[in-house]
Amino acid sequence: AQTVTQSQPEMSVQEAETVTLSCTYDTSENNYYLFWYKQPPSRQMILVIRQEAYKQQNATENRFSVNFQKAAKSFSLKISDSQLGDTAMYFCAFIHTGNQFYFGTGTSLTVIP
Amino acid sequence: EADIYQTPRYLVIGTGKKITLECSQTMGHDKMYWYQQDPGMELHLIHYSYGVNSTEKGDLSSESTVSRIRTEHFPLTLESARPSHTSQYLCASQFGGEAFFGQGTRLTVV
Repeated sequence: AQTVTQSQPEMSVQEAETVTLSCTYDTSENNYYLFWYKQPPSRQMILVIRQEAYKQQNATENRFSVNFQKAAKSFSLKISDSQLGDTAMYFCAFIHTGNQFYFGTGTSLTVIP
Repeated sequence: EADIYQTPRYLVIGTGKKITLECSQTMGHDKMYWYQQDPGMELHLIHYSYGVNSTEKGDLSSESTVSRIRTEHFPLTLESARPSHTSQYLCASQFGGEAFFGQGTRLTVV
């Protein structure tokens, strides 16, 4: 069975500082994708960043980057220069060729001015 | 933002009423999903479809039903709403390993 675990239900960070959100997953598959999704309060869920499992290089999108450790099945999200608009629920997600998404329980991030 | 739409955004309805939550996407994606999400909580898959006339139940048991007569349309129906159905319902489509979400329907059954 596939599972995704986010061990930090809530986190906070000062504006302009850096924060890292943790995610671990469990799968027997070799080819899969990992994602971080952001869900602002009462807003649409949007994709933050995506990582293909076959790529060793960590994905980066502007202030967002990941630390993908395939052997350890770890996929953390680093947010640099945090902004107030980063306040949201963040979900780690996993999909393999079976085409079903598995989501973690989410981390509520608050950016403090 | 992705072209996937859910209506209504908010709905308050009495116990026992039949309701249909609408979800439409204009991207031509075959794979679509319904998730149930309580506030600030994880997403639970309740239904999915891999194409027209294909529907399956998800991991979370649900009293709702779905249909997929057209690629772009994936409505979810509750025959008799109950207070335990109060939740947020998220519709999503998937293509190329990425999920696209609607804005959600927040349902309250009183």
